[in-house]
Amino acid sequence: NAGVTQTPKFQVLKTGQSMTLQCAQDMNHEYMSWYRQDPGMGLRLIHYSVGAGITDQGEVPNGYNVSRSTTEDFPLRLLSAAPSQTSVYFCASSYRDYTEAFFGQGTRLTVV
Amino acid sequence: GQNIDQPTEMTATEGAIVQINCTYQTSGFNGLFWYQQHAGEAPTFLSYNVLDGLEEKGRFSSFLSRSKGYSYLLLKELQMKDSASYLCAVRIISGNTPLVFGKGTRLSVIA
Repeated sequence: NAGVTQTPKFQVLKTGQSMTLQCAQDMNHEYMSWYRQDPGMGLRLIHYSVGAGITDQGEVPNGYNVSRSTTEDFPLRLLSAAPSQTSVYFCASSYRDYTEAFFGQGTRLTVV
Repeated sequence: GQNIDQPTEMTATEGAIVQINCTYQTSGFNGLFWYQQHAGEAPTFLSYNVLDGLEEKGRFSSFLSRSKGYSYLLLKELQMKDSASYLCAVRIISGNTPLVFGKGTRLSVIA
């Protein structure tokens, strides 16, 4: 049982480059979300989805896009990376938004 | 805005009991989570409270008072492996985001 698989684990980007962080879960969870975690800031919600075809913005959505074409996958796209997007990113999934969330292993992203 | 407060750091002795507090001021309340996060790892779920009272789960208990905007996580019989950050997160009824995390409390367990 893989749970939540998040790739890559580490990434270095140059300012202005684009990339997609992948997230897949095999638990048939409806609710998926992306967070960023910065020192002294805690986890902040970027985007979330309550089911396939439905996405919504969280606390810090600017600079990020998401889509949810299937129940399993919830990729996060950075269209034009900026140094302010240097962070650790976590994907999470849960059966409902009020149930236990399972987190991916995280992506440490550095934008130079 | 949404405000969630937790102590930044705490230190406790192996075998002891420690209480980690979380106070919140949010636009509506729909439940409170506690997560544990070891350094360099992903958070893992500890508890979810939506009604007032104490919920016990092994060595860990979580308490909620909705009228006071207050929760705590109680860790008993502390072990060295309990050294981690403990994250409080509140589900919001209205606002621009459905879930807000506190900044976390880093707990160090010493011998």
